[in-house]
Amino acid sequence: NAGVTQTPKFRILKIGQSMTLQCTQDMNHNYMYWYRQDPGMGLKLIYYSVGAGITDKGEVPNGYNVSRSTTEDFPLRLELAAPSQTSVYFCASSKPQSSYEQYFGPGTRLTVT
Amino acid sequence: DAKTTQPTSMDCAEGRAANLPCNHSTISGNEYVYWYRQIHSQGPQYIIHGLKNNETNEMASLIITEDRKSSTLILPHATLRDTAVYYCIVSDTTSGTYKYIFGTGTRLKVLA
Repeated sequence: NAGVTQTPKFRILKIGQSMTLQCTQDMNHNYMYWYRQDPGMGLKLIYYSVGAGITDKGEVPNGYNVSRSTTEDFPLRLELAAPSQTSVYFCASSKPQSSYEQYFGPGTRLTVT
Repeated sequence: DAKTTQPTSMDCAEGRAANLPCNHSTISGNEYVYWYRQIHSQGPQYIIHGLKNNETNEMASLIITEDRKSSTLILPHATLRDTAVYYCIVSDTTSGTYKYIFGTGTRLKVLA
């Protein structure tokens, strides 16, 4: 299993541009999450999903959108990028019977200038 | 905001036990304590969790005080590869989902 994969690894955006961060997992996990991590800080939950077609807001959802059309994929959309969205973005997944154990992807480092 | 307080940083000699404390004085009865670590800039990795009993797995031991207001993660024989940021998280799981709030963690440096 590849686990949780994220693309791209790095991206530089100009203010006002949009982009989609991709996240895919091959472990058949129902639960998926998006976090952001600012320099020197802990992770903050942006959105999460408990299954295909179901998403919900986390701690810091403003400026982001998500969709979950399949079990495997959970893309994160940034509309009108702002410098405050410069961060490292981590996607994670877990299975319901042991969802305390979240498996994280390698992250996407995003810079908005 | 995170419900836990951890020291900013700690050092530990290689081969010795690393004891990482965590204060969670406002923990409620249905909240578990979870520990994750983040090596360099990788995604966090689950270590262990517990409710009120002490727990041990192949990676670490978790000691929770009787009043549950604090806990200690123990890495019994720290190696250089254990150098990482360690996060203590308190979370209510009654909803079935795990919406973790990560604080700033403890940066553990294992010294040769």
